Amino acid sequence: EAGVAQSPRYKIIEKRQSVAFWCNPISGHATLYWYQQILGQGPKLLIQFQNNGVVDDSQLPKDRFSAERLKGVDSTLKIQPAKLEDSAVYLCASSFRSGNTIYFGEGSWLTVV
Amino acid sequence: GIQVEQSPPDLILQEGANSTLRCNFSDSVNNLQWFHQNPWGQLINLFYIPSGTKQNGRLSATTVATERYSLLYISSSQTTDSGVYFCAAKGAAGNKLTFGGGTRVLVKP
Repeated sequence: EAGVAQSPRYKIIEKRQSVAFWCNPISGHATLYWYQQILGQGPKLLIQFQNNGVVDDSQLPKDRFSAERLKGVDSTLKIQPAKLEDSAVYLCASSFRSGNTIYFGEGSWLTVV
Repeated sequence: GIQVEQSPPDLILQEGANSTLRCNFSDSVNNLQWFHQNPWGQLINLFYIPSGTKQNGRLSATTVATERYSLLYISSSQTTDSGVYFCAAKGAAGNKLTFGGGTRVLVKP
């Protein structure tokens, strides 16, 4: 069974530029998560989808971050414009449904210079 | 929201030693999971354990929900056990899984 796929793996951009990350969850998983992990810290939930609806986006900086999951399968997370403090690993995860075991992708490493 | 605290923050072990990692949470939980993050950043789910005890090889976990803590036991540690161990919990009244700060483990040969 294929795991959670993410791309790109690494990205370096200048501040004020934009970037987009893509995620394809495990087949059949209704719940999709985007987490931000800053070096030395635990992952922080940015947004959680149930199918194509948003369950929680309370910690998403909506002035610069956006995410969508239009067809209830893959998802895109966008940052525009990026700030230096956005340098982090962006982790996508999925679960069969909310409350089940969560499976993570390898992450997308972002450096903003 | 729920608060999740892990201890110790760092742990250095000699290969073959046993250890216990602790996770305290501030509210009743209906979801608690343990993860291992390897040196390349990949997070692997170890246990889904909102209550009770589970074992998987050299690893085992116990959650005492009424006392709001969970323990992860590593027995006969190996160098491949190195990395960061996270617990994550979701409160009974909440929507999201909240991660603790992690325990960084280094197993020396």
